[in-house]
Amino acid sequence: AQSVAQPEDQVNVAEGNPLTVKCTYSVSGNPYLFWYVQYPNRGLQFLLKYITGDNLVKGSYGFEAEFNKSQTSFHLKKPSALVSDSALYFCAVRAPYSSASKIIFGSGTRLSIRP
Amino acid sequence: GAGVSQTPSNKVTEKGKYVELRCDPISGHTALYWYRQSLGQGPEFLIYFQGTGAADDSGLPNDRFFAVRPEGSVSTLKIQRTERGDSAVYLCASSFTTGERGYTFGSGTRLTVV
Repeated sequence: AQSVAQPEDQVNVAEGNPLTVKCTYSVSGNPYLFWYVQYPNRGLQFLLKYITGDNLVKGSYGFEAEFNKSQTSFHLKKPSALVSDSALYFCAVRAPYSSASKIIFGSGTRLSIRP
Repeated sequence: GAGVSQTPSNKVTEKGKYVELRCDPISGHTALYWYRQSLGQGPEFLIYFQGTGAADDSGLPNDRFFAVRPEGSVSTLKIQRTERGDSAVYLCASSFTTGERGYTFGSGTRLTVV
């Protein structure tokens, strides 16, 4: 069964500093990996995905994530944080080689950027 | 439509009542998913449809929960004999068949059982 772990409930970063939100996964085969962001009282917004190809994936709002197969990780990064990046971030995984199966979400990491 | 539409956006019901939550997916998306999100938690998978049929309903917590998608487009999540523990935000998502292009989520229905 597939699963995903986000080991940090909260990450605090000063504006302008780089940020990292951690994610590790467990799935048979090569996974499909996703990051979503959720602002208060809003739905989930897609940030980026890894399906195949380059391990470094670039997404919306200047975010990027690096797929590391040996460490089974897909950490979300941004070189310079903005206060507006403060939100709840979810990593998700989908098992490959099956038609449109469900994606499984982590428990989320609250990112807080201080001015 | 341009996005996934969920109605109502908010629903307050009394314990023991029956509720229906509606999801209108993106036109052309064959797969539709229901998730439940409790406060401060990640979305929890409930059920997904491929066309009209439920391809995976392993996440439905008990037989009070049921979902249909009779024409392969709009879906309704039905909850019988609601309990206070059913209070959560119910999210719907849709995708093309394989999901490789990603999953688009609606804004959710906030269900409160009093």
